[in-house]
Amino acid sequence: NAGVTQTPKFQVLKTGQSMTLQCAQDMNHEYMSWYRQDPGMGLRLIHYSVGAGITDQGEVPNGYNVSRSTTEDFPLRLLSAAPSQTSVYFCASSTRQGAKISTDTQYFGPGTRLTVL
Amino acid sequence: GQQVMQIPQYQHVQEGEDFTTYCNSSTTLSNIQWYKQRPGGHPVFLIQLVKSGEVKKQKRLTFQFGEAKKNSSLHITATQTTDVGTYFCAGRNSGAGSYQLTFGKGTKLSVIP
Repeated sequence: NAGVTQTPKFQVLKTGQSMTLQCAQDMNHEYMSWYRQDPGMGLRLIHYSVGAGITDQGEVPNGYNVSRSTTEDFPLRLLSAAPSQTSVYFCASSTRQGAKISTDTQYFGPGTRLTVL
Repeated sequence: GQQVMQIPQYQHVQEGEDFTTYCNSSTTLSNIQWYKQRPGGHPVFLIQLVKSGEVKKQKRLTFQFGEAKKNSSLHITATQTTDVGTYFCAGRNSGAGSYQLTFGKGTKLSVIP
């Protein structure tokens, strides 16, 4: 299994440009999430999905869109990039252990390092 | 909303010394997870604690979950250079159906050989 894959690894955008960060997992995980990591800020949840066709907002959703048309893929779209979106973006997937949602663990992708000029 | 505070932000230790990072939540947690992120890498799951007062060990690492399920700690005995990285705790609210994990800001560990 490749686990969680993310493309691209690095990206430089100009203010106002749009782009899509790709995330895919081959573990048949139900849950997928997008986080951003900024120095000294830890990991902050942008959007998440509990299954195909279902998405919800996290802590910092503004400026980002997501969709989940398949179990495997969970792309993150930046509609109009701003310098404040310069960050490292991590996609993660997780599955239930047993019947309880609360016992899942997260598998992170390698990250996309985005710079917005 | 839920807040998870983690201290210290940085810790420099001599190789062989012990290291501890602490995590405190503003709300009661259903469980807490710990992750390690090596420099330039991605977070990797270490362990999950679910029960009040739970203690788990992984070789030189000891994880504790407080009796009130609002705090946790990670203790490393006799640090090695391979322990270098940032350690994050992540807590989940005890509310029904709650999915979101809230991460602490992490403790960056440097080990001086």
